[in-house]
Parts: sequence; structure tokens; C-alpha cells
Amino acid sequence: DVKVTQSSRYLVKRTGEKVFLECVQDMDHENMFWYRQDPGLGLRLIYFSYDVKMKEKGDIPEGYSVSREKKERFSLILESASTNQTSMYLCASSGNRPGTGGETQYFGPGTRLLVL
Amino acid sequence: AQSVTQLGSHVSVSEGALVLLRCNYSSSVPPYLFWYVQYPNQGLQLLLKYTSAATLVKGINGFEAEFKKSETSFHLTKPSAHMSDAAEYFCAVSDRTGGFKTIFGAGTRLFVKA
Repeated sequence: DVKVTQSSRYLVKRTGEKVFLECVQDMDHENMFWYRQDPGLGLRLIYFSYDVKMKEKGDIPEGYSVSREKKERFSLILESASTNQTSMYLCASSGNRPGTGGETQYFGPGTRLLVL
Repeated sequence: AQSVTQLGSHVSVSEGALVLLRCNYSSSVPPYLFWYVQYPNQGLQLLLKYTSAATLVKGINGFEAEFKKSETSFHLTKPSAHMSDAAEYFCAVSDRTGGFKTIFGAGTRLFVKA
């Protein structure tokens, strides 16, 4: 069964703290994504990765960085947390099948982050 | 550039009534289209997807959606709502040019009244 896990379901951090959110998938997927979800805004892409050590900016990368040292793991880093980064963070992964495209994304359960 | 518009942030239906959630997309290339569902405190899971085979797509839990190119729509329907259908639903589009970057709509929360 497909599985994407996220290190924490809930986190409370202070302004200025460095925050690490971890995501692990067990499907040998090439692609991994980090989104934030806010009411009325849907999901917005922060960063994504198509391969190990590779990363690309999504639509809202400011204030975030990522790391992908191993294929199964994709980390999101908030260098200095701010209150406007309070949100639900969702990790997803998808595979590559040449010629088909549009692969389904498989999501983790989400991390609800509160920055005080 | 691709985009997705979901009409109605909230939809309320009675149990047993028809469910209709609207989605319009914009894409300069033939799209892949998806509906995802999110139950409270969970991640998203795929309900159904259109990838250029049949235009009427059947998904899990009795949901289906029809791709209408002329209307650039991909509305989600279910003939008879069940209380367990209460959730948030997201329409999404991705292109076929590789990378599979997906754009999500803002979501529609479905309420089902007893």
C-alpha cells in the first residue's frame, strides 16, 4: 500500500526558530512536493524535486528551503519561522511513467504548524 | 499557464440528493484533470482522474466526472449524497509536458444534511 509519512501532525514553534518538516515515501517515487494549505487558497506549491539533490521553486518559495539527500526523503526547512507561516503543510509524491504524464500525487497526512 | 476555478467554496446538500461540484480549467495544452478529496485532519486522496481516455470518468465512492473540452469543465457528480461524503474536494490540473506539476483549485467544502 502506498505510503507517505510526515514527521509530525502538529507543531508549535516560536518566531525566529528554525523548523524542519520531514517527509518520507515508500513508493520509490521520483517526484516529491511540498505544499501549504490555507483556507480559501487551496494548495500552493512551495518547492518540488524531480530527483535526489535536485530542487525547484514552486509558487511561494520565499522563507523556505528544501533538502533531498535520499530519494525517499524530502525535507522542508523554515530558516526563521514567522507567524505568517502558520499553516497546514502537505507533502506529496508521484512517479514518472514516460509517455503518460499526469501521475497521481500521493499525499501525507499533513503537519499543522503554529508559529507564535 | 494553467489554472483551475472551483465555483462555490461551500456546497450544502441533503442526504440522498444529487451532488454537483463545479470545476473549470484553463490550459494551453491538453490537460490531465483530477478530483481529490480531503477528510478532516487528513491529507488528500485521489477520487478520480481524466487522462484522455473516456470523457466520463468513474471514481471511488460512486463519484464521476465528465470532461467537456468545449466548456473547459470537469464537474464532479454523485447521484445520491451520503453523510460520509462530507469533506473538502479539490479539482486539479496538470500538463503533459513532463514534471507533472499540478495546480489545485481553492477547494469546495461539501456539507451533507440529514
